[in-house]
Amino acid sequence: KNEVEQSPQNLTAQEGEFITINCSYSVGISALHWLQQHPGGGIVSLFMLSSGKKKHGRLIATINIQEKHSSLHITASHPRDSAVYICAAISGGGADGLTFGKGTHLIIQP
Amino acid sequence: DAGVIQSPRHEVTEMGQEVTLRCKPISGHDYLFWYRQTMMRGLELLIYFNNNVPIDDSGMPEDRFSAKMPNASFSTLKIQPSEPRDSAVYFCASTTGGLGNIQYFGAGTRLSVL
Repeated sequence: KNEVEQSPQNLTAQEGEFITINCSYSVGISALHWLQQHPGGGIVSLFMLSSGKKKHGRLIATINIQEKHSSLHITASHPRDSAVYICAAISGGGADGLTFGKGTHLIIQP
Repeated sequence: DAGVIQSPRHEVTEMGQEVTLRCKPISGHDYLFWYRQTMMRGLELLIYFNNNVPIDDSGMPEDRFSAKMPNASFSTLKIQPSEPRDSAVYFCASTTGGLGNIQYFGAGTRLSVL
């Protein structure tokens, strides 16, 4: 089974700072999923990556398949970006092939 | 579109009672997923359906859990009998094309078993 590690576990930053959240996995994957969970509990899918880089607004996700590593970046961070960010590695077609990280709890202070 | 709709939002029940959680996926989506989230274990995939057929239920913790999808617009997750360790937030999500695609999550059902 894939081991998915996220770092840092907790991150507090000031508004405007550039944020990086890391996700490493142990087994080769077909795709990696980044999720955002709001303080109220709702979950939003941000990106699904299989290679390279994707950008949406101030969010950028990158993946390096050889190094088994993905990063989520937030530019010009804002207090509304405060949330838990979760990565999920997809390495197969079944439930066993989907492994979630424990999440990174991000707080952006004004 | 209203998105994925789950009900109830909150459920409090006593140990031993039957609990039924409900989910309406986004119209046109052919995959439906049930997840459980706890502080200790994080998010876990319990079961998923494709075109109303269960594809993989290997994440279902034990026989007390069952899930059905009688049609494309409705699914249930049932726990019978419920136990305190089943207390968690249960999410339903839907998508097209499978695990490799962006999923749309419902708001979740927060279950407390006393």
